[in-house]
Amino acid sequence: AQKVTQAQTEISVVEKEDVTLDCVYETRDTTYYLFWYKQPPSGELVFLIRRNSFDEQNEISGRYSWNFQKSTSSFNFTITASQVVDSAVYFCALVNAGGTSYGKLTFGQGTILTVHP
Amino acid sequence: DTGVSQDPRHKITKRGQNVTFRCDPISEHNRLYWYRQTLGQGPEFLTYFQNEAQLEKSRLLSDRFSAERPKGSFSTLEIQRTEQGDSAMYLCASSVRETGELFFGEGSRLTVL
Repeated sequence: AQKVTQAQTEISVVEKEDVTLDCVYETRDTTYYLFWYKQPPSGELVFLIRRNSFDEQNEISGRYSWNFQKSTSSFNFTITASQVVDSAVYFCALVNAGGTSYGKLTFGQGTILTVHP
Repeated sequence: DTGVSQDPRHKITKRGQNVTFRCDPISEHNRLYWYRQTLGQGPEFLTYFQNEAQLEKSRLLSDRFSAERPKGSFSTLEIQRTEQGDSAMYLCASSVRETGELFFGEGSRLTVL
């Protein structure tokens, strides 16, 4: 069985603060993919990043960065210099790469991020 | 707009009625998924199509639920004899690869009174 845990239910920050969203996962598979999605108030889930289990390099994209640590089964997401537009629910998700995964993503419960002006 | 589209966006129905949701995936995507999301939770997988073949169904999908993708393009999700517990956001997504990024629609919100 696989599981994704986002322990932070809600985070509130003031604009320009840095914020880190935690994600811890469990899986028995050795090959898997991790994702982050953003869900703004409009409701549509927006893809942010996909990382495979063999690539532990951290990634930076503009103000966003991701820290993947296999040793601790964590895939944390940092927003630098947060902006009001970053306010959304953020989901971490996992899919196994085995032949019967059928792309079934297992999502965490989400972290509600509110950025105040 | 070339994204995933879902219809209707909102549906309010009385308990016991049948409802049907439609999803039009991104045209070149042969993989289509249905997920369900309840308030305060992450999406939960319901079912998966590769072309017109339904390859996987979650145990969440009771006998009252049926999904089809008759020509490998759009898909429908029907819920028969709706119950209050069916109230949720029904999300459709499509992708090119099974482990690739899923592109989600805006969802169809169902409220069962």
